Amino acid sequence: AQSVTQLGSHVSVSEGALVLLRCNYSSSVPPYLFWYVQYPNQGLQLLLKYTSAATLVKGINGFEAEFKKSETSFHLTKPSAHMSDAAEYFCAVSVWGNKLVFGAGTILRVKS
Amino acid sequence: DAMVIQNPRYQVTQFGKPVTLSCSQTLNHNVMYWYQQKSSQAPKLLFHYYDKDFNNEADTPDNFQSRRPNTSFCFLDIRSPGLGDAAMYLCATSRANQPQHFGDGTRLSIL
Repeated sequence: AQSVTQLGSHVSVSEGALVLLRCNYSSSVPPYLFWYVQYPNQGLQLLLKYTSAATLVKGINGFEAEFKKSETSFHLTKPSAHMSDAAEYFCAVSVWGNKLVFGAGTILRVKS
Repeated sequence: DAMVIQNPRYQVTQFGKPVTLSCSQTLNHNVMYWYQQKSSQAPKLLFHYYDKDFNNEADTPDNFQSRRPNTSFCFLDIRSPGLGDAAMYLCATSRANQPQHFGDGTRLSIL
């Protein structure tokens, strides 16, 4: 069965600093991988997806993620944090059809 | 704009009183999902419809049921809500093998 582990339930960065949110997955077959962002009292918004094309995936709002099969990782990065990036971020894996398995989430705090 | 709409955004019900949450979509997606998300937790899939085919997760309580009368609408029925059912309920849609699009959720409170 597939699973996702997000390292760090809370991450705090200064405005303008690098954002790195870690995600490791477990899957017996090539996975589809996703990052979603959730603002308070809202649904989940897709940031980016990996579907076995380019290993470096660019998403919205300046975020990108790199698929590393050897490390079973799909870490999310952004070169320069903005106050509006403060939210909760979920990594998810999909194998069979469209069913998503989510990680536990990482809350990103951006300090001014 | 095409989207996934959930009504109401906030719902309060009494312990044991049936409640229905609704979801509609203008995306014409054939797959619709219901998730339960408790505070500080990841969304948990309850069930999904692939067209008219209903797929229940093995650990979804019998208290939870769903209806999809047509492509655009999907309902979540909680027959006898308990205090443990207080949560955010998220609806999502997708085409086959495409990313899911989420609504803004309904926050359910149980008195």
